[in-house]
Amino acid sequence: DTAVSQTPKYLVTQMGNDKSIKCEQNLGHDTMYWYKQDSKKFLKIMFSYNNKELIINETVPNRFSPKSPDKAHLNLHINSLELGDSAVYFCASSQDQRSGFTDTQYFGPGTRLTVL
Amino acid sequence: AQSVTQPDIHITVSEGASLELRCNYSYGATPYLFWYVQSPGQGLQLLLKYFSGDTLVQGIKGFEAEFKRSQSSFNLRKPSVHWSDAAEYFCAVGSGNTPLVFGKGTRLSVIA
Repeated sequence: DTAVSQTPKYLVTQMGNDKSIKCEQNLGHDTMYWYKQDSKKFLKIMFSYNNKELIINETVPNRFSPKSPDKAHLNLHINSLELGDSAVYFCASSQDQRSGFTDTQYFGPGTRLTVL
Repeated sequence: AQSVTQPDIHITVSEGASLELRCNYSYGATPYLFWYVQSPGQGLQLLLKYFSGDTLVQGIKGFEAEFKRSQSSFNLRKPSVHWSDAAEYFCAVGSGNTPLVFGKGTRLSVIA
C-alpha cells in the first residue's frame, strides 16, 4: 500500500488555467504538507495542515489554496496558473505537529506541473 | 534565519568506494538535523536524523552522519557505496516550532 499518494503524477496545462493536485495519506498522521521543488531541486515548504487546520502558509500567492476535507487528504488548488508555477509539488505527512516539525516526514512521489 | 548549505552539487564515486556528502547549517539554537534521499522520480525518504545525544547517528541503508557543532556541520557518510545509492541527497535543519529548511541537494552518481 502506498503511504502518501498524489494525483496526477504529471500535469501539463496552459497559462491562466485552474488546476488541482490531490494528496492522500493512509498512515493515520495528523499533519500534512505541501512543498514546491523548483527546477534547481530547491525544496521549500508552502503549507502545513494539522488535523484539517492550516498552521503554516509560507508567503505563497493566494492563487494557491490548500483544502483539507479530512485529515487524510490535503489537496492543492491553483488558480490562474503562471509560467513560474512550473515545478514538482510534493505532498508529505508526519505524525503530529504538536510534537514539532521534527517528526519524520513521509513524502509522496510528486506531481510535475508544467505550465505552457 | 536558519539555512543549509550543501557545497557539492554533484559527486561521482566508484561502486565500493567510500562516500562523504557535506552539509553546513546556520541556526541560532540547537538544531534538529536530517538527511533525506530522493531516488529518481520518487519522493524523499528519511535516511537519519539528529536531535541530541551521541553525535554519530546511524541511519538506514548503511548511512551514518556526524554532528560537529564547532564546524556547524552534519556530513553524511557511507563506507562502501552501491550502485543503488545513486540519487539526490538533501540535508535539512529544523526545530520544534519551525518547518524544515532544506539544502539544495547533492546529486550522487555511482560508476562501476
